[in-house]
Amino acid sequence: DAMVIQNPRYQVTQFGKPVTLSCSQTLNHNVMYWYQQKSSQAPKLLFHYYDKDFNNEADTPDNFQSRRPNTSFCFLDIRSPGLGDAAMYLCATMGARGMPEQFFGPGTRLTVL
Amino acid sequence: AQKITQTQPGMFVQEKEAVTLDCTYDTSDPSYGLFWYKQPSSGEMIFLIYQGSYDQQNATEGRYSLNFQKARKSANLVISASQLGDSAMYFCAMRTNAGGTSYGKLTFGQGTILTVHP
Repeated sequence: DAMVIQNPRYQVTQFGKPVTLSCSQTLNHNVMYWYQQKSSQAPKLLFHYYDKDFNNEADTPDNFQSRRPNTSFCFLDIRSPGLGDAAMYLCATMGARGMPEQFFGPGTRLTVL
Repeated sequence: AQKITQTQPGMFVQEKEAVTLDCTYDTSDPSYGLFWYKQPSSGEMIFLIYQGSYDQQNATEGRYSLNFQKARKSANLVISASQLGDSAMYFCAMRTNAGGTSYGKLTFGQGTILTVHP
């Protein structure tokens, strides 16, 4: 049973062409996160939501935006992708109570041409 | 500031042998959690094991155990009876219990690539 779903798994976009990555969860978790992971590096947190409360990391570029229309869904919008934005994008969730770990989705691998 | 250090970029182990992956951390927060995640080449981050800073006993989950030495600020992962499917990148991570805008934020180490030889 999939718990954190990311679509698409692979996304190709052109330099400067807006792209949206999506994440959904069946866990009813309060907190949702977006991470960027470049090759052979650790995941880097971009932002997270606690319910509808949005929290942006200080070094997240303005090019990256996020939306969370409801508990289940969260979107990552890249307004003008550059070559340096090619990476794996990981969505994760966590409940406010109970299990301490974050549950990750399978990721979306973004290629920028 | 929180920091996680994994000093082993790569490790090799023979199938069926045990292996230890090192992790040290630094935080001034008295309450924190330590995690290990496995990331195969497919990219998905798979949760392995968790240790809370106030837990008296070392965490174990099947073939995984966490050697928690609080005074030394280390949280090494021990994998017993290695299998070929254990070949992957392994990340150590820490979460401090700061509420509000830093809720549940994870800080990751740089990772260790484990290769299991037949």
